[in-house]
Amino acid sequence: EVRLVESGGGLVQPGRSLRLSCAASEFTFDDYALHWVRQAPGKGLEWVSGISYNSKSIAYADSVKGRFTISRDNAKNSLYLQMNSLRAEDTALYYCGTSTHSSDYHDAFNVWGQGTMVTVSS
Amino acid sequence: DIVMTQSPDSLAVSLGERATINCKSSQSVLFNSDSKNYLAWFQQKPGQPPKLLFYWASTRESGVPGRFIAGGSGTDFTLTISSLQVEDVAVYYCQQYFNTPFTFGQGTKLEIK
Repeated sequence: EVRLVESGGGLVQPGRSLRLSCAASEFTFDDYALHWVRQAPGKGLEWVSGISYNSKSIAYADSVKGRFTISRDNAKNSLYLQMNSLRAEDTALYYCGTSTHSSDYHDAFNVWGQGTMVTVSS
Repeated sequence: DIVMTQSPDSLAVSLGERATINCKSSQSVLFNSDSKNYLAWFQQKPGQPPKLLFYWASTRESGVPGRFIAGGSGTDFTLTISSLQVEDVAVYYCQQYFNTPFTFGQGTKLEIK
């Protein structure tokens, strides 16, 4: 069974940095695009960033552009999100997701991790 | 950015009755080259990640019960549950993956009346 497991969340002060990881198993990691989606407590879903299978296509939500950096290491079957200059409004459960329907960047996410919680507070 | 607007925000339906959720995009998500609508529907239950129900607006994901039906094209889409079951209580989201950022609707909370 295809599995994604996020880690790296925690409590961090405003202005500080955090790096999230997403480890994948049971699928050919380097065939598929990957994305980060977040959900603030009690709120809806917000797409944060996505990266194509070969890292050539990368995009960010306006709310994180210039502060967050997405990357992947296909040799380690891992996805990352480097989050700098964190703000209170970045507090959320961060999910990684992918589509195993195709390698297309523009595809629906049929596999999700359980999420890792990031809390930005002093 | 493409804005996705769902209606209603919440919905209470009796068991066995039909529930319909609407999703409207601020611009078309139909790609003329492949005639596909880049629109997905998700179900999210408390404490769980979202679950994909439909992609390409109307293609049912494997394992999704047949009482879930989705359709629409261009800018207007619907998700219908033909006969509501207890396990369908959840929040439902539409999402466009036509253009980045891949925006979600605000969600529709479905409850039992």
